[in-house]
Amino acid sequence: NAGVTQTPKFQVLKTGQSMTLQCAQDMNHNSMYWYRQDPGMGLRLIYYSASEGTTDKGEVPNGYNVSRLNKREFSLRLESAAPSQTSVYFCASYPPGSNQPQHFGDGTRLSIL
Amino acid sequence: AQSVTQLGSHVSVSEGALVLLRCNYSSSVPPYLFWYVQYPNQGLQLLLKYTSAATLVKGINGFEAEFKKSETSFHLTKPSAHMSDAAEYFCAVSDLGGSEKLVFGKGTKLTVNP
Repeated sequence: NAGVTQTPKFQVLKTGQSMTLQCAQDMNHNSMYWYRQDPGMGLRLIYYSASEGTTDKGEVPNGYNVSRLNKREFSLRLESAAPSQTSVYFCASYPPGSNQPQHFGDGTRLSIL
Repeated sequence: AQSVTQLGSHVSVSEGALVLLRCNYSSSVPPYLFWYVQYPNQGLQLLLKYTSAATLVKGINGFEAEFKKSETSFHLTKPSAHMSDAAEYFCAVSDLGGSEKLVFGKGTKLTVNP
């Protein structure tokens, strides 16, 4: 099915390790987003990319970096993981110039020990 | 800056009872508003959206929401709860500024009792 694909689905890291969360969409959407979800906090925007080649900080960008590799792919990198980054991470994409909703992936559940 | 407030982090209803989940927003411009549902260990699924057309919006699974500008509210309702409605519900507002960033409320977990 067309949509937003996130890999991996689950990951356990040790403090200080690095990793990259991958996101790809096959709907030809311009805008892509990374959110984190924590209990009682809702979803908070980490970074977004309004178009290929551009990225901007969201509400909680510290400790993260992103790369918009091409129109399809938007990756999120943790350079030195910390326990406070234990969360569920969601990628989303949005069609250009429309009032359509964002489309979400199934999430990556990340635990940092 | 936009913000969304969902009153009640947990709501419990009996099967067959009315479901009312409250959402208030703050926005300096007419917003787009959304309700998403999240079932355990799953991603977010769109229930319904308001985009400045009809103020009463009907969504999937029998849910609807009414946009009230004077009250800055967008409450979600369903006349008769079903066990399968047990989930977490998120209200979100979009800034329309080109990036279409969503600002989410903190969520309301709905429990449906038999």
